[in-house]
Amino acid sequence: DGGITQSPKYLFRKEGQNVTLSCEQNLNHDAMYWYRQDPGQGLRLIYYSQIVNDFQKGDIAEGYSVSREKKESFPLTVTSAQKNPTAFYLCASTNGDSNEKLFFGSGTQLSVL
Amino acid sequence: QKEVEQNSGPLSVPEGAIASLNCTYSDRGSQSFFWYRQYSGKSPELIMFIYSNGDKEDGRFTAQLNKASQYVSLLIRDSQPSDSATYLCATPGGTYKYIFGTGTRLKVLA
Repeated sequence: DGGITQSPKYLFRKEGQNVTLSCEQNLNHDAMYWYRQDPGQGLRLIYYSQIVNDFQKGDIAEGYSVSREKKESFPLTVTSAQKNPTAFYLCASTNGDSNEKLFFGSGTQLSVL
Repeated sequence: QKEVEQNSGPLSVPEGAIASLNCTYSDRGSQSFFWYRQYSGKSPELIMFIYSNGDKEDGRFTAQLNKASQYVSLLIRDSQPSDSATYLCATPGGTYKYIFGTGTRLKVLA
């Protein structure tokens, strides 16, 4: 079955530690996204990538980094510079047409120890 | 800045009633709209999309788009307790970007 796989489902970060969230898709989608969702809040865009080896900052990129070495994969690193990382992180993808539907992975809940 | 606005709710309806969820948008050029359902602790699931003015029906769900008034609605007929969730409205906001509303929380009372 085609879809978007995020791992792990739950992740704990110690102060000063970098952690990486995985996102893999087998939908052959060109564009991939990372969103952050805080309790009771909407979705905020962290980074997005239109094609391999290219990505752009979203609205809240500070303290995060990404890579897009393969079409299928778009990992997100939450660095120690992100002082308030506790949130629900969602990866999404679309085939790139401006009116195409956006599909989401199952999410990763990140908490600080 | 392009915006999508939703009433945060909660919107409470009795079981079997019609739930009406509304969304307004600022960019008159917006062409397509998506409705997502999000259960607590889960990721958003696409349930409806609409590209043209008028109504689009899929089972118990009807999406309505009124471009002149810049609003889009989602109607849920015969609401069930399992429909209790947060409903997000979204529209493409430029090249490869999407704009989301903050969502409306729906509670269907048994």
